[in-house]
Amino acid sequence: GIQVEQSPPDLILQEGANSTLRCNFSDSVNNLQWFHQNPWGQLINLFYIPSGTKQNGRLSATTVATERYSLLYISSSQTTDSGVYFCALGSYTGTASKLTFGTGTRLQVTL
Amino acid sequence: DAGVIQSPRHEVTEMGQEVTLRCKPISGHDYLFWYRQTMMRGLELLIYFNNNVPIDDSGMPEDRFSAKMPNASFSTLKIQPSEPRDSAVYFCASDGAAASPLHFGSGTRLTVT
Repeated sequence: GIQVEQSPPDLILQEGANSTLRCNFSDSVNNLQWFHQNPWGQLINLFYIPSGTKQNGRLSATTVATERYSLLYISSSQTTDSGVYFCALGSYTGTASKLTFGTGTRLQVTL
Repeated sequence: DAGVIQSPRHEVTEMGQEVTLRCKPISGHDYLFWYRQTMMRGLELLIYFNNNVPIDDSGMPEDRFSAKMPNASFSTLKIQPSEPRDSAVYFCASDGAAASPLHFGSGTRLTVT
């Protein structure tokens, strides 16, 4: 099946710092999404981004499908950004709606 | 929209008992998914439905697990009999079409003692 690798596995930042999270994948995609799981366990959809670049406030994401990676940028981080960030994707060889999740990047933002 | 609604939020039961988890998807969404999250295995897709029809149940771990979607606004995931290794957070999610943003419910934390 499709392989999804996220890096780094853990990240500690001071409030105000910027960061880049990476997602590498093993197959062509037509569906790639980023999620944030907050400390209370809620999974929030951040981006649906099978290709190109999108921005939402302090967050932005870029997917380069031909090179099989996606990046999530967090600028001016805040303590509320803490949690786990997941990349999830579906490939052309399967069913677009069936997502495989990476193991996540655990982010802790400190004061 | 109220989002995806799951109940109960927490469930504690004894081994051997039947457990039923419930989900109401976002109105108008054609796809409904059941995921399970554990520390060891991360987020795993158990089953998904399209227009109330089960499409792929290859992630359902055993015959003890079953899922139904009797109508567009309601789905259940049943475990019978439950075992301690079924302890996990079970999420329901929905989206409006193939390859569109997926929205999760708040999850049900199941503990089987």
